[in-house]
Amino acid sequence: AQTVTQSQPEMSVQEAETVTLSCTYDTSESDYYLFWYKQPPSRQMILVIRQEAYKQQNATENRFSVNFQKAAKSFSLKISDSQLGDAAMYFCAYMDFGNEKLTFGTGTRLTIIP
Amino acid sequence: DAGVTQSPTHLIKTRGQHVTLRCSPISGHKSVSWYQQVLGQGPQFIFQYYEKEERGRGNFPDRFSARQFPNYSSELNVNALLLGDSALYLCASSLVTPSYEQYFGPGTRLTVT
Repeated sequence: AQTVTQSQPEMSVQEAETVTLSCTYDTSESDYYLFWYKQPPSRQMILVIRQEAYKQQNATENRFSVNFQKAAKSFSLKISDSQLGDAAMYFCAYMDFGNEKLTFGTGTRLTIIP
Repeated sequence: DAGVTQSPTHLIKTRGQHVTLRCSPISGHKSVSWYQQVLGQGPQFIFQYYEKEERGRGNFPDRFSARQFPNYSSELNVNALLLGDSALYLCASSLVTPSYEQYFGPGTRLTVT
């Protein structure tokens, strides 16, 4: 079974600074997707960024980028120019190619310090 | 366009009771998935339905059941509620299946006393 591990229960960063959230996963599959979701206090899960395992290029969405290391099974999220609105729980998630089931990690609570 | 909607927003039930949670997907979306998120944990997959057929089931007891209606809305039913069923129940919809573009609703907070 696939597993996703987030070893940082909490992180904090000064506003406008850069922070990196860590995620490792375990799978025997070669084709899969990895995601970072944001869950603010409103509870709604919002997709931040997605990475296809077959793509070597790291995904980027504005201030959000990932460092995908397939061999190491590592998938970290970098948030640049942190803003107050970035404060939330961040979940790393895995999905097999061809299967819609998401497997989530336990989350990292990100606090932005003004 | 409206996003995924869930009802009720929150509810309180007593152990042993039954509960029904409802989800309306984004218009045109035919796949609905249910997740349970216990406080302090990540969501766990319960069910996926596509075109009214069950396409996937997580490691949950038979007390949990679901169905999808012709308009693609879905219900999650939980019988004989336990204290451990207290959680946020999330619904996600996608246009087709499998899809890496899933859109989540705001969830239903269930408290079992």
